[in-house]
Amino acid sequence: AQSVTQLDSHVSVSEGTPVLLRCNYSSSYSPSLFWYVQHPNKGLQLLLKYTSAATLVKGINGFEAEFKKSETSFHLTKPSAHMSDAAEYFCVVSDQETSGSRLTFGEGTQLTVNP
Amino acid sequence: DGGITQSPKYLFRKEGQNVTLSCEQNLNHDAMYWYRQDPGQGLRLIYYSQIVNDFQKGDIAEGYSVSREKKESFPLTVTSAQKNPTAFYLCASSVARGYGSYNEQFFGPGTRLTVL
Repeated sequence: AQSVTQLDSHVSVSEGTPVLLRCNYSSSYSPSLFWYVQHPNKGLQLLLKYTSAATLVKGINGFEAEFKKSETSFHLTKPSAHMSDAAEYFCVVSDQETSGSRLTFGEGTQLTVNP
Repeated sequence: DGGITQSPKYLFRKEGQNVTLSCEQNLNHDAMYWYRQDPGQGLRLIYYSQIVNDFQKGDIAEGYSVSREKKESFPLTVTSAQKNPTAFYLCASSVARGYGSYNEQFFGPGTRLTVL
């Protein structure tokens, strides 16, 4: 069975400071991992994905994430927060071998960016 | 311009009424999904379909029904049997498993359903 835990339900940073959103996963096999972003009353947009290629994954809007198998983590980072980054972020795991095309979502981390 | 459309954006329903949410995609994706999102929670899978004329229950299918008569369409009906239907509903699609897609899903803008 696969699962994902987002370690912080809320993160608050100042504009221009680094962002760290933490995610741990559990999967029986080699997983695919994703980060999605959701702005209020909108659908989800894919930020980046890990698919067993490079362990450091670069996404849109300056975000990146590092897959660490030994720590079962896939934390999302950005060097400098922008006001437009304020949104909810979801870490998502997919184990294609056991779950087919199904995704398992974390409960989300609400990112607040203060001026 | 490829994408997923959901309509309506906002929907109000009286208790005891069935209501159907529309989801259309022009991405030529085989698989489609319906999720429910409640405040402060992640997405929960209601139903999914890997191919036309076939669909499977997700984790919270009770009180919902779907059909998949066309590749591009996957409507969701919220029936009167759903005890707490007020939520934000998201539709998504992906290429079929085995096409090297790693299950990336593309999402529509959502429909907010409120039961009065």
